[in-house]
Amino acid sequence: KNQVEQSPQSLIILEGKNCTLQCNYTVSPFSNLRWYKQDTGRGPVSLTIMTFSENTKSNGRYTATLDADTKQSSLHITASQLSDSASYICVVYDSNYQLIWGAGTKLIIKP
Amino acid sequence: DGGITQSPKYLFRKEGQNVTLSCEQNLNHDAMYWYRQDPGQGLRLIYYSQIVNDFQKGDIAEGYSVSREKKESFPLTVTSAQKNPTAFYLCASSIQGSGTEAFFGQGTRLTVV
Repeated sequence: KNQVEQSPQSLIILEGKNCTLQCNYTVSPFSNLRWYKQDTGRGPVSLTIMTFSENTKSNGRYTATLDADTKQSSLHITASQLSDSASYICVVYDSNYQLIWGAGTKLIIKP
Repeated sequence: DGGITQSPKYLFRKEGQNVTLSCEQNLNHDAMYWYRQDPGQGLRLIYYSQIVNDFQKGDIAEGYSVSREKKESFPLTVTSAQKNPTAFYLCASSIQGSGTEAFFGQGTRLTVV
């Protein structure tokens, strides 16, 4: 069964610190992978997209990595800010353009 | 402003009543989706539509109905047959094709009282 597992479920860090969120997937065949940021009570917004051949992609302080061999992706946030507090969701597209969503990691940044 | 609009933001419904959630987009997207989000779970697909006058069931379509009479609009009706309707509902739209970004509305929080 196609699945996307994210860890940790929740994470609390101090403002200014770095953190890394993990996404493991069993989707096959794989098309591409996106990370979304969802603020509480709002719709998700796309941060990055990665295709099969890409290893790393950055969007400001956000850097996503992809290892298609081990079926793992990570999202690294550098120099965290209070506005980074949100849920981060990994979604994998299969070859039929269907989206398989992870449950998300809830990130809380404390001052 | 281009975007996707859901209304209302909060909705309360009595048990046994049907209720319709609105979703409108002016992005000229062909594809539209309805998702349900529950705490600690990933988004689950209720219905999707790739073209006007056509829609497909998602993973949890039971107790829901949709229509797609216009490209811009994809309303979702939560019927009394839906056993546990209290949830956060998200509407999205996208250009057709692999990996294209889904743009989301702000969501409607439905509470059954």
